Amino acid sequence: KAGVTQTPRYLIKTRGQQVTLSCSPISGHRSVSWYQQTPGQGLQFLFEYFSETQRNKGNFPGRFSGRQFSNSRSEMNVSTLELGDSALYLCASSLQLHIPDTGELFFGEGSRLTVL
Amino acid sequence: GENVEQHPSTLSVQEGDSAVIKCTYSDSASNYFPWYKQELGKRPQLIIDIRSNVGEKKDQRIAVTLNKTAKHFSLHITETQPEDSAVYFCAARVVNAGNMLTFGGGTRLMVKP
Repeated sequence: KAGVTQTPRYLIKTRGQQVTLSCSPISGHRSVSWYQQTPGQGLQFLFEYFSETQRNKGNFPGRFSGRQFSNSRSEMNVSTLELGDSALYLCASSLQLHIPDTGELFFGEGSRLTVL
Repeated sequence: GENVEQHPSTLSVQEGDSAVIKCTYSDSASNYFPWYKQELGKRPQLIIDIRSNVGEKKDQRIAVTLNKTAKHFSLHITETQPEDSAVYFCAARVVNAGNMLTFGGGTRLMVKP
């Protein structure tokens, strides 16, 4: 069974640009969450999608947005990039909305974004 | 919202020794506490988890304890091996908050051969 797949793995952007990251969850998983990982702030929750609906949202500005498609694949978008947006963006999938009742959270390898 | 603090931030032990990492959480509504291991350049992977109705759970060399009254939980690794070297993250999930996890700051464990 293929794991969580994230694309692209690495990308470099300049300030003011926008970026779209993609996540394909494990087959059959319906919940997709996004986390930002930085050396200073650790792992911080961005948002979670289930059945194409955003279910939870973390404390990030409106420049960060996401969506989920009918096949459970998800994308996140960051507009007007700032230097501080440089981070590893991790996607995680789960069978259902409420772990641990239906299984653990599986992470992808992440998309490393560098903003110059 | 929930806040999770993790200590120590770095831990160096000799191979064969035990390692203990401690976390505290703030929201008494948290009911699920996983631990993730992240090796350099790799994805975080679940190594053990515990629910609020259990005080202790063990899996081979790894154990987790939970004290709901004090709102803290700990990871214990016995007979450490060089392959245990990684960053470990504790996390907490508040009931009815979907799959949203609040993570601690991480502990870099170094096991010296």
